[in-house]
Amino acid sequence: AQKITQTQPGMFVQEKEAVTLDCTYDTSDPSYGLFWYKQPSSGEMIFLIYQGSYDQQNATEGRYSLNFQKARKSANLVISASQLGDSAMYFCAMREGKNNFNKFYFGSGTKLNVKP
Amino acid sequence: DGGITQSPKYLFRKEGQNVTLSCEQNLNHDAMYWYRQDPGQGLRLIYYSQIVNDFQKGDIAEGYSVSREKKESFPLTVTSAQKNPTAFYLCASSIPRGIAGRWNEQFFGPGTRLTVL
Repeated sequence: AQKITQTQPGMFVQEKEAVTLDCTYDTSDPSYGLFWYKQPSSGEMIFLIYQGSYDQQNATEGRYSLNFQKARKSANLVISASQLGDSAMYFCAMREGKNNFNKFYFGSGTKLNVKP
Repeated sequence: DGGITQSPKYLFRKEGQNVTLSCEQNLNHDAMYWYRQDPGQGLRLIYYSQIVNDFQKGDIAEGYSVSREKKESFPLTVTSAQKNPTAFYLCASSIPRGIAGRWNEQFFGPGTRLTVL
């Protein structure tokens, strides 16, 4: 089974609107971390936001927030007030706490296009 | 400034040649990783190393080799056995936990684009 699933290969959003990028994960480990990265066309991987499995509140970082629904095993990224510079690939990733805690699992990514 | 450097940025290889991609970090991280990314695709793990002199195969290790003789360095060799090596290669590093038990993210280098001629 896939550890991280991103079901939206591509998304379009109008500038200044909010957009949600979906991510579901699969783990039986009670301790894990969830991460979102942005990859512009230049190829660099930019860390955006982190959510720990024991965190009581949803993570927020500026215009980025993480809609963490633990029972549903989903960790959707919400980008508010989209900007043209948000056009990029977005990857969801997970790190488990027990077995092989140094290994990261990545989703297949979502390509976001922000329209002016 | 602490970070990860990869060199070269662009690399061209003739078929049948081995090439080595460099990855250096000064973050004092124990774990280092190599990923391959094909156009429009996600990241696939080639090898990772949790400590010096130790490394594990990832999902697509065939045709690649690594070494971890120093904490700061994790070079990747693309051998002639790798039949389709043209791709974007990303190196990363991490430490397990930070403040208050937070699981830490990976830090990535800028990448190397390898093209086979």
